[in-house]
Amino acid sequence: DTGVSQNPRHKITKRGQNVTFRCDPISEHNRLYWYRQTLGQGPEFLTYFQNEAQLEKSRLLSDRFSAERPKGSFSTLEIQRTEQGDSAMYLCASSFEGGTGSTEAFFGQGTRLTVV
Amino acid sequence: AQRVTQPEKLLSVFKGAPVELKCNYSYSGSPELFWYVQYSRQRLQLLLRHISRESIKGFTADLNKGETSFHLKKPFAQEEDSAMYYCALKSFGNEKLTFGTGTRLTIIP
Repeated sequence: DTGVSQNPRHKITKRGQNVTFRCDPISEHNRLYWYRQTLGQGPEFLTYFQNEAQLEKSRLLSDRFSAERPKGSFSTLEIQRTEQGDSAMYLCASSFEGGTGSTEAFFGQGTRLTVV
Repeated sequence: AQRVTQPEKLLSVFKGAPVELKCNYSYSGSPELFWYVQYSRQRLQLLLRHISRESIKGFTADLNKGETSFHLKKPFAQEEDSAMYYCALKSFGNEKLTFGTGTRLTIIP
């Protein structure tokens, strides 16, 4: 599968623990996005990167959340001191932005986080 | 602030009947509108975008700026159209997508 890859697919953690998710975008894509989806809702934007630069963060991204894309390739999303309200599907997407325009955003299969 | 509304959470249609999934948006500028689809156990994928003016899998959607709508239509439903459909908006100069809450479409054989 050469699409966007997310690991792990599922994560169960106890409240208060830290968790980290990884996203590997499509290799030539320079933009990477994180979204969160809770039950019965559409995906909600969290943040996005252009290469290694984090260009926008949603107010949904509290100070317990941090995202990195150190070399402009894969990205990690860390949640510290997890709360039950963090339980959701975390989606990663990537796209290519060039001088002549951008491709569509391709989504990964997501990481489902359950905080118990 | 931009907002996307999909008024129907669930929609059931008989095979061969026409399908219309409603999407309304609020945004003061000139938006870019999309329909994404998620089939069972598959990832979210783009179905169509208004700037392409394409018909994908028999589906079309026309941006109506007067009614601020971007309804998805197909004249004859097929069983394989059963899926979750999300309408999404991207505002000018902004890279984030704002999604609606989605409509689960079920095609009855």
